[in-house]
Amino acid sequence: AQSVAQPEDQVNVAEGNPLTVKCTYSVSGNPYLFWYVQYPNRGLQFLLKYITGDNLVKGSYGFEAEFNKSQTSFHLKKPSALVSDSALYFCAVRDGRNYQLIWGAGTKLIIKP
Amino acid sequence: DVKVTQSSRYLVKRTGEKVFLECVQDMDHENMFWYRQDPGLGLRLIYFSYDVKMKEKGDIPEGYSVSREKKERFSLILESASTNQTSMYLCASSSSDGIYEQYFGPGTRLTVT
Repeated sequence: AQSVAQPEDQVNVAEGNPLTVKCTYSVSGNPYLFWYVQYPNRGLQFLLKYITGDNLVKGSYGFEAEFNKSQTSFHLKKPSALVSDSALYFCAVRDGRNYQLIWGAGTKLIIKP
Repeated sequence: DVKVTQSSRYLVKRTGEKVFLECVQDMDHENMFWYRQDPGLGLRLIYFSYDVKMKEKGDIPEGYSVSREKKERFSLILESASTNQTSMYLCASSSSDGIYEQYFGPGTRLTVT
């Protein structure tokens, strides 16, 4: 079955420290992977995607994600967290059977000053 | 830039009322989606459409219907609103380019009293 897992409901990081938000996936075929961010009472905003090529993908707001095929993971990272990074983060993968995306449950990221 | 707009940011309706939520995209996308988002439950797909007048049920279609008469517009209809339909409703669109990155509107927070 095709699925996406975000194992942490919440991640707490001190401002200035590196952050990682985890995502693992299970799909048939080549995965197309996405990260989105949602600020309070707003829609989802696209951060970055992996389609093919370099395993390290750079995106908006200084975020990057590392695709690891052997571990079927696509973790979101940032070298130095900002308080303004506090938000809800969603990982998604293209459903190989159709044009939908399969969504993780979301991870709440809290950056403390 | 892709723009997806939703007719209302906040909406308050009474139990039993018929409710229309409208979504418009300006990028000529073939695919459009309606999700609802509730705390702890992530994004759940209500309906989607891959072409004008075409629609398919998502994971939680009960109590909802949709209409897509024009390519740029996708409407979600609550035939008889109930309190358990109080939620955040998100509209998204995507092209049929094989990648299927989704673009979201700002969301409508619906309260049914």
